[in-house]
Amino acid sequence: AQKVTQAQTEISVVEKEDVTLDCVYETRDTTYYLFWYKQPPSGELVFLIRRNSFDEQNEISGRYSWNFQKSTSSFNFTITASQVVDSAVYFCALSGANTGNQFYFGTGTSLTVIP
Amino acid sequence: KAGVTQTPRYLIKTRGQQVTLSCSPISGHRSVSWYQQTPGQGLQFLFEYFSETQRNKGNFPGRFSGRQFSNSRSEMNVSTLELGDSALYLCASSLETSGTFNEQFFGPGTRLTVL
Repeated sequence: AQKVTQAQTEISVVEKEDVTLDCVYETRDTTYYLFWYKQPPSGELVFLIRRNSFDEQNEISGRYSWNFQKSTSSFNFTITASQVVDSAVYFCALSGANTGNQFYFGTGTSLTVIP
Repeated sequence: KAGVTQTPRYLIKTRGQQVTLSCSPISGHRSVSWYQQTPGQGLQFLFEYFSETQRNKGNFPGRFSGRQFSNSRSEMNVSTLELGDSALYLCASSLETSGTFNEQFFGPGTRLTVL
């Protein structure tokens, strides 16, 4: 079975602080895909990143970085120097090679950046 | 390119009625998936259509159905509405290349309220 756990329900940080959002996944597939999405108050899910199971290279995009560790089944997301515009709900998602576009989402982490 | 569009954005229905939601994917995307988002259950996969065929189905009752047209536009229908069907219904489209599953791009959603 596929499962994604985001243990942090809500996080509040002061602007310019760094924050890490945790994501732990479970899957029996040997090939799978991990994703992060941002959902601002408007409701639309915005794609942030995709990572394939065979590519453990970490990625940095501006103030965003992602740490993928197969050994701990984790795919954590760090925002450096947070800004008020980063306030949103962030979802981690998993899809397996056998389930294709059926994404399994975590319960989301609500991030509030206080000015 | 235009993003995923969903109509209508808001709907109010009463119990027992039926409803049809529409989704137009990004041009060139042939996979369309539907998700239900509620505060209690989070984001749950409803079904996926690819080339007019349902390829994947989540764990929802038969009252939830969908279809896809030759232009990849998709509709989902919910019959005999229940109060618990009140939710944000999100549509996502995806470009598949050589059997690799890619990120899904989401529309703004249809907010359904059942009274």
